[in-house]
Amino acid sequence: GEDVEQSLFLSVREGDSSVINCTYTDSSSTYLYWYKQEPGAGLQLLTYIFSNMDMKQDQRLTVLLNKKDKHLSLRIADTQTGDSAIYFCAESINTGGFKTIFGAGTRLFVKA
Amino acid sequence: DSGVTQTPKHLITATGQRVTLRCSPRSGDLSVYWYQQSLDQGLQFLIQYYNGEERAKGNILERFSAQQFPDLHSELNLSSLELGDSALYFCASSVGGIGGQPQHFGDGTRLSIL
Repeated sequence: GEDVEQSLFLSVREGDSSVINCTYTDSSSTYLYWYKQEPGAGLQLLTYIFSNMDMKQDQRLTVLLNKKDKHLSLRIADTQTGDSAIYFCAESINTGGFKTIFGAGTRLFVKA
Repeated sequence: DSGVTQTPKHLITATGQRVTLRCSPRSGDLSVYWYQQSLDQGLQFLIQYYNGEERAKGNILERFSAQQFPDLHSELNLSSLELGDSALYFCASSVGGIGGQPQHFGDGTRLSIL
């Protein structure tokens, strides 16, 4: 089946690193994504990784992919209060077109 | 600004009615995707169009339909509306329709059914 799971809440102190984890079930995923959603706003694409990569770094963001365990993580270094939002993990599955399955989202709270 | 434009931003209507949501993709993007976000169901993929043709289908009800026009804008039609259809509807676009390129989201249309 197609499913993406992530923990619902994460709380960190400002300046610490945040790690948001995600597991997915479909091994035919081509791309895996992290999106950020702030209150009342749409989804903002943060970063993505192709399924044949293990790691991708983009400024404060590091994505790690363990394809064997179907585990994806997003690390945010030096977390700031402005990083407080909901973070969605998503996978693209080839169905002839591309169907994207989203997790339920992890709400990140950053304490000053 | 993602470059994806959705109208209207808010829509309030009654049960049994029909509404049309509109989406203009980013310049150069050929694929349009529609999603429904609700508190109980999370973010659900509804349907994808690529260059005017339906390419992938998700959990879209029979009461809902969509199309993509030659100028690549898309419309999502929701009919016989029920209270449970109240949600945020997002449109996203990507450059292509194959390969799962990253999707860029609009700000959504908030639909409230009274």
